[in-house]
Amino acid sequence: QQQVKQSPQSLIVQKGGISIINCAYENTAFDYFPWYQQFPGKGPALLIAIRPDVSEKKEGRFTISFNKSAKQFSLHIMDSQPGDSATYFCAAAGNNDMRFGAGTRLTVKP
Amino acid sequence: KAGVTQTPRYLIKTRGQQVTLSCSPISGHRSVSWYQQTPGQGLQFLFEYFSETQRNKGNFPGRFSGRQFSNSRSEMNVSTLELGDSALYLCASSLGTYEQFFGPGTRLTVL
Repeated sequence: QQQVKQSPQSLIVQKGGISIINCAYENTAFDYFPWYQQFPGKGPALLIAIRPDVSEKKEGRFTISFNKSAKQFSLHIMDSQPGDSATYFCAAAGNNDMRFGAGTRLTVKP
Repeated sequence: KAGVTQTPRYLIKTRGQQVTLSCSPISGHRSVSWYQQTPGQGLQFLFEYFSETQRNKGNFPGRFSGRQFSNSRSEMNVSTLELGDSALYLCASSLGTYEQFFGPGTRLTVL
């Protein structure tokens, strides 16, 4: 029962470009939306998170955009670097439940 | 502050055996959650323990069980291993909120 749909499955971006990953959720009880970054052989690391009372949150080159009415949120990576190459997971949590998207494998080409 | 630690990091077992994985959360964190990560299914929630009590459970068979000790360390047990149990098992700790911190995982291979 997938409650968080993430796209695309994989993404290739040139160095300096913008990477955009999208997620959609179903459960309106969700009120916490984090993004995780995972490198091979490592566990996921919390990158940035947003609550639905704001439509955008920026931390350095990473920005979350949130559309409550559409039940969608996205991660934008500005000036993408080869070191950003990793798998990114979105998640949605609330009402004692947390669901993850299937992940997006990002490759940033030099 | 030390991060979440998981032991062992790698494990090879055969079908029918049982396995126990261990997780030590970040100091002060009372919640420990376990996830199974596979290429096809992504991150699947197994269960969460808070102050030694199972607070939430995912949709996994009874062969998967866990417990938490008074020092918040947690163990996960899988009995009667199947080939499909081969996965990366991740543990995440938190203060009881949704902000979770993951360990490096235990790579389990079932032959």
